[in-house]
Amino acid sequence: DVQMTQSPSSLSASVGDRVTITCRASQDISNFLAWFQQKPGKAPKSLIYGATSLQSGIPSRFSGSGSGTHFTLTISSLQPEDFATYYCHQYNTYPFTFGPGTKVDTK
Amino acid sequence: QVQLVQSGSELKKPGASVKVSCKASGYAFTHYDMNWVRQAPGQGLEWMGWISTNTGNPTYVQGFTGRFVFSLDTSVNTAYLQISGLKAEDTAVYYCARDAGSYWGQGTLVTVSS
Repeated sequence: DVQMTQSPSSLSASVGDRVTITCRASQDISNFLAWFQQKPGKAPKSLIYGATSLQSGIPSRFSGSGSGTHFTLTISSLQPEDFATYYCHQYNTYPFTFGPGTKVDTK
Repeated sequence: QVQLVQSGSELKKPGASVKVSCKASGYAFTHYDMNWVRQAPGQGLEWMGWISTNTGNPTYVQGFTGRFVFSLDTSVNTAYLQISGLKAEDTAVYYCARDAGSYWGQGTLVTVSS
């Protein structure tokens, strides 16, 4: 199975901060990487697919980069509604797998 | 617009069965496969497998074989997850998700307790 790791596991940030989350795959997954945001008690929400493509309706402060085994999600200027847990997800190789999540909370 | 609407929360006793539904609307149901994802309390997301909405062929991740069954009723654009022989460790929120997670159901909490 493709193992997904994320760093950091949690971070504290302030509104307006630039936030970067890293995701690594244990083998090459090309660009078959998605990012999700999840708030407590809610379903995950798709932010990025294909490693770099922004889902419709997602603010442009979110961006994704990377390919192969190293990926990043960047929030250029953190907003109050962005405090949440973020997951990466590879859909290149069965079984599809998720990263363990990165919790972004307020400093 | 695309919507996936799941059935409501369930409270079941150990050994019982449960069937969770996921009704799709706003798109051609048989054009996109349906995934199932589990989230245990306070834990991360776990991909359980998927079902081809074109052929009805299910694929299960190791650890979700035997007691877990994915099925479809294409006449009502609905996917189902059935779990038999429920155990306390099956307590979780179960999500259906289309594509690589472009769209998600709202989740169904299944609680297994005596």
